[in-house]
Amino acid sequence: QKEVEQDPGPLSVPEGAIVSLNCTYSNSAFQYFMWYRQYSRKGPELLMYTYSSGNKEDGRFTAQVDKSSKYISLFIRDSQPSDSATYLCAIVNSGGYQKVTFGIGTKLQVIP
Amino acid sequence: NAGVTQTPKFHILKTGQSMTLQCAQDMNHGYLSWYRQDPGMGLRRIHYSVAAGITDKGEVPDGYNVSRSNTEDFPLRLESAAPSQTSVYFCASSYTPVKGAQNQPQHFGDGTRLSIL
Repeated sequence: QKEVEQDPGPLSVPEGAIVSLNCTYSNSAFQYFMWYRQYSRKGPELLMYTYSSGNKEDGRFTAQVDKSSKYISLFIRDSQPSDSATYLCAIVNSGGYQKVTFGIGTKLQVIP
Repeated sequence: NAGVTQTPKFHILKTGQSMTLQCAQDMNHGYLSWYRQDPGMGLRRIHYSVAAGITDKGEVPDGYNVSRSNTEDFPLRLESAAPSQTSVYFCASSYTPVKGAQNQPQHFGDGTRLSIL
């Protein structure tokens, strides 16, 4: 079993839809939770970063962490064609130095 | 533009050849790392450095060497390339995290796509 599980998709939604992206993890030592966005042939860019259970909002993006269920989510409201990208969840293991476990990424396509 | 710059963007090697992938950052970050990204797998860390002169192994270090002679540059060396090293390689930087303290989010370059025949 992988430490971080993420559905690779692809996920296709119409413009304006609410998108829900999810990851599950197995290691209780995971403490910090991040979401990166990666456009085709580009490097990942950080979208959201949190270390506590609950919700964190930034514009159209909301990151949700449920440590009791070991489940994290990224919600995108009013999705735009420019949101079409691969979204990577990334979780930091407090037991290692800057040791980040990445999900395989979910490919999202927002159709105009 | 500030950020992490990787060169070359693409390269093809033959098995057994050597190659150095370049990484340079201009954000005065102390922490630099190399990752590889393969289909169906998450990014995996190869080597990292917390400061000039200090390097350490990541989770998949075999077949790769690194050095860090200054703050800005962190080259990755493949001494004898193998087809299993065909991948997309990313360099990432961040402020140096204090061990046991809050993790520092990383800034990634745009990658080097390497094919080994």
